[in-house]
Amino acid sequence: EAGVAQSPRYKIIEKRQSVAFWCNPISGHATLYWYQQILGQGPKLLIQFQNNGVVDDSQLPKDRFSAERLKGVDSTLKIQPAKLEDSAVYLCASSFGTNTGELFFGEGSRLTVL
Amino acid sequence: SQQGEEDPQALSIQEGENATMNCSYKTSINNLQWYRQNSGRGLVHLILIRSNEREKHSGRLRVTLDTSKKSSSLLITASRAADTASYFCATALMGTYKYIFGTGTRLKVLA
Repeated sequence: EAGVAQSPRYKIIEKRQSVAFWCNPISGHATLYWYQQILGQGPKLLIQFQNNGVVDDSQLPKDRFSAERLKGVDSTLKIQPAKLEDSAVYLCASSFGTNTGELFFGEGSRLTVL
Repeated sequence: SQQGEEDPQALSIQEGENATMNCSYKTSINNLQWYRQNSGRGLVHLILIRSNEREKHSGRLRVTLDTSKKSSSLLITASRAADTASYFCATALMGTYKYIFGTGTRLKVLA
């Protein structure tokens, strides 16, 4: 079974530039999550999708971050314009969306903002 | 804000010893899960315990849950160098699949 795919794995940009991350979840997983993990900290939930609808985006800085889930499958997370404090690993996870379901994580996209 | 807080923040033990890490959380939950993260990698699911369960085992892992104290513990028995990683608890808020992760425990197992 293929896992959660993320790209790019690494990205270095200047502040005020834009960046986009892509995630392809495990086939059949209804729920998709984007987490931000700053070095040395636990993952922080940015946005949760159920199929192609947003369930929770209360922690998403909407002035600069946006996310969409196309046709309830792939998802993209965009940052525009980037700030220094956005340097982090962006983790995508998916699950069947039940209350006994584990989350399957991708390897993450590491962003460095200079 | 983080829902869960793990302690200790860091733990260093010898191979063969047991490692215990704790997680405390703030609100009523559906279930609690533990994940492992090797350096530079994504998180891997270890074990899930439902809110109506008190203890669960999986191989060398033992998890307990005390909903009255809003806390959980993860015990890794007979640790190996390969267990070196960060360990996180994650809680799903009651009625949601919104998983909030704790701050993590960094475990180092010395060969």
